[in-house]
Amino acid sequence: EAGVTQSPTHLIKTRGQQATLRCSPISGHTSVYWYQQALGLGLQFLLWYDEGEERNRGNFPPRFSGRQFPNYSSELNVNALELEDSALYLCASSLAGGQGGEQYFGPGTRLTVT
Amino acid sequence: RKEVEQDPGPFNVPEGATVAFNCTYSNSASQSFFWYRQDCRKEPKLLMSVYSSGNEDGRFTAQLNRASQYISLLIRDSKLSDSATYLCVVNRKGAGSYQLTFGKGTKLSVIP
Repeated sequence: EAGVTQSPTHLIKTRGQQATLRCSPISGHTSVYWYQQALGLGLQFLLWYDEGEERNRGNFPPRFSGRQFPNYSSELNVNALELEDSALYLCASSLAGGQGGEQYFGPGTRLTVT
Repeated sequence: RKEVEQDPGPFNVPEGATVAFNCTYSNSASQSFFWYRQDCRKEPKLLMSVYSSGNEDGRFTAQLNRASQYISLLIRDSKLSDSATYLCVVNRKGAGSYQLTFGKGTKLSVIP
């Protein structure tokens, strides 16, 4: 069974540009989560989508946004990129919609902002 | 106080040693608990869930103390392949939804 997939693997952007990151969950999973892991910091929760709706949002500015498509894949958009947005962005999926369910992570997209 | 706190380590132990990691959480509404493992520059992988009665999976034993808001992970007979960062993870319900909160992790190096 295929795991969570993310694209692209690496992304290099300049300050002020927009970045779009993509995630496909494990087949049968309806919940998708996005996390940011900056160098030396722990995973910071960004967004949770379930059944096409945004269910929860972490403590990030509105320029971090996303959506979930009918096939449960998801997209994370980061507008007006800043240097400190450079990080590993991880997507995870789960069966249980967050209700105690374990999450399974994709390999991540490494975003570099110059 | 941070929501999930772990000793960052690093823990440098010889092969075959027993090592224990501790984690405390601040939100008493937390409902489920996990240990994840993250190898260098890789994604976190679920190691095991943590149940109130304690649970064991081979060389790994996890325990939960809800009264003290404390979680532990014990690794027996350490292998070189156990070298990784171990993340304590807490799931809590707030404002109608659930959210996983990750500790910063404890780094383990198993030395030949």
